[in-house]
Amino acid sequence: DGGITQSPKYLFRKEGQNVTLSCEQNLNHDAMYWYRQDPGQGLRLIYYSQIVNDFQKGDIAEGYSVSREKKESFPLTVTSAQKNPTAFYLCASSIEGQVGRQFFGPGTRLTVL
Amino acid sequence: AQSVTQLDSQVPVFEEAPVELRCNYSSSVSVYLFWYVQYPNQGLQLLLKYLSGSTLVKGINGFEAEFNKSQTSFHLRKPSVHISDTAEYFCAVSSGGGADGLTFGKGTHLIIQP
Repeated sequence: DGGITQSPKYLFRKEGQNVTLSCEQNLNHDAMYWYRQDPGQGLRLIYYSQIVNDFQKGDIAEGYSVSREKKESFPLTVTSAQKNPTAFYLCASSIEGQVGRQFFGPGTRLTVL
Repeated sequence: AQSVTQLDSQVPVFEEAPVELRCNYSSSVSVYLFWYVQYPNQGLQLLLKYLSGSTLVKGINGFEAEFNKSQTSFHLRKPSVHISDTAEYFCAVSSGGGADGLTFGKGTHLIIQP
């Protein structure tokens, strides 16, 4: 089945540690995105990538980093510089040129203790 | 810059009653509008979208939405809701300028009461 996988579903880390969230898609989509979801805040765009080896900052990129070495993969690193990392993180992908039609993964809930 | 306002954070409705979830947007350019649904602890699924053409858009699960350019609104409606419609609903806008992500509203939690 084609789709987007995010792992793990739940992740716990100690304060001050970097942590990397995985996102893989087998839909052959060019564009991939990372969103952060907080209660009552909706989704906010962290980073997006339109093609391999290229990515752009979204609205709340500070304290996060990404890489796009392969078309299928778009990992997100939450660094110790992120002041409030506890949140639900959603990865999405889309076909270039297909406006707004994004496919979402199941999400990773990160809790920093 | 563009923004989306969902006026109600929660909407309680009795089963089989009609429902309307409100969405207003602001943008200096033409926009494309979307409604997504999120069931508990899951990702988002596209309900429907408006790109152009007819202002009344029909989506999955019996939902529909109407684009009103003069009122900058894109309200979501369903004539008769079911318990399974309990979820978080997000309105989103895109200016269509490449794959640059969506701007989401803060969401409306639809609560269906038996």
